[in-house]
Order: sequence, then C-alpha cells, then structure tokens
Amino acid sequence: DADVTQTPRNRITKTGKRIMLECSQTKGHDRMYWYRQDPGLGLRLIYYSFDVKDINKGEISDGYSVSRQAQAKFSLSLESAIPNQTALYFCATSEGTNSNQPQHFGDGTRLSIL
Amino acid sequence: KNEVEQSPQNLTAQEGEFITINCSYSVGISALHWLQQHPGGGIVSLFMLSSGKKKHGRLIATINIQEKHSSLHITASHPRDSAVYICALPRSQGNLIFGKGTKLSVKP
Repeated sequence: DADVTQTPRNRITKTGKRIMLECSQTKGHDRMYWYRQDPGLGLRLIYYSFDVKDINKGEISDGYSVSRQAQAKFSLSLESAIPNQTALYFCATSEGTNSNQPQHFGDGTRLSIL
Repeated sequence: KNEVEQSPQNLTAQEGEFITINCSYSVGISALHWLQQHPGGGIVSLFMLSSGKKKHGRLIATINIQEKHSSLHITASHPRDSAVYICALPRSQGNLIFGKGTKLSVKP
C-alpha cells in the first residue's frame, strides 16, 4: 500500500460544485502539504499543516480550504469550483521540525472543471 | 524571475547517452531536492543534497552552494528514464518551491 494515498485519482465536475480531495498517510509525519501543478508553471503550494491544530495558507490559497481531521488525514476543498482550478493536485508529507527533510508525495488527483 | 530555474526545458536523447540537467537558484539554501515525475504523474524524491555529490545507480547529483547551481546527471540513459525531472528548494515552513521541470525523452 502507498504511504501517501490520494482520493479520488481523477475527477470531472461542473463549475459551481463543491469538491473535496482527500489525502491520508501511513508515515506518521506531522507535516502535510497540498500543491497544485499546472502545465508550464511547476508545483505551487496551496496550504500546509504542521499538526492538527496548525494550518497555514500557501501562495495560492484563494478559492480553497483545508481540514486536518487527524495526523494522518488532510483534505482539500473547493467550495465552488471554477474552470481555472483545473489542475493536477498533490498531497505531500514530511517529518520533523527540520525543513531539510525529503517530501513524500501521493500519486496526484487530476481534476477537471467544466 | 523564478527563484529556481531549470535548463533545458525539454531534452531528447538516444539510449546510452549521458544526460545533464541543470538547476540554478537565487536564494540561500541549506539543501536542494531532485524529484522525478513519472509519465503517469506520480512524484518521487531522487536526492536531497547540501554539498558535493550523491550517486544512486546511474543517477548522480552535484551541487555548488557558492555558485547556487546543481546538476543531475544520468549515465547510460535508458527509455525508462523518460520522465520530468524537477529541482526544488526547501523553505522555512518545510514546503518546497519548485522549478518548472525538465522533460526528458530517451529514444531506443
């Protein structure tokens, strides 16, 4: 089983719908991240969490919200999806308080908003 | 200007060729990551290095902190090396900032 699991892997939906992307991890890491990837732009940080009570906005948080339900679970929500949120979304984890730690990525969620 | 610049953006090679992908950055760092993104989309960490050189199989990563430059080399390239290679820098929050990636295609 994968250490970082994202569901769903693919999703097609319509403008205005509420969508939740889920991420769970078995690595026991405190730090979790949501990134989005757009062609030609590289990955960008949406939100990050150091633990259940510590959630922070990244560089492109507008239009998104998150919930850290437990150490192992970090969900990303689009309250009212719009077409320019069509992208590949990645959840990642890292351990410890040292920022120089490798990150472990899920397989990604490909989201298309029509 | 991006804090992380990679070159080339695209690279096509013949099987067996020696490959070099470059990464330059403009901020102070204590380490640098090289990641591989498979055609199916998944991302795996290849290296994290803060000085000198690291080797794993046919992959070699080097870094020069003073010159703010890192290279990823692939020796005896193979079609299964075809992927996007991404350079990334850690920030104080623990997240990474990413280069735009180098798309490598190795032809048989």
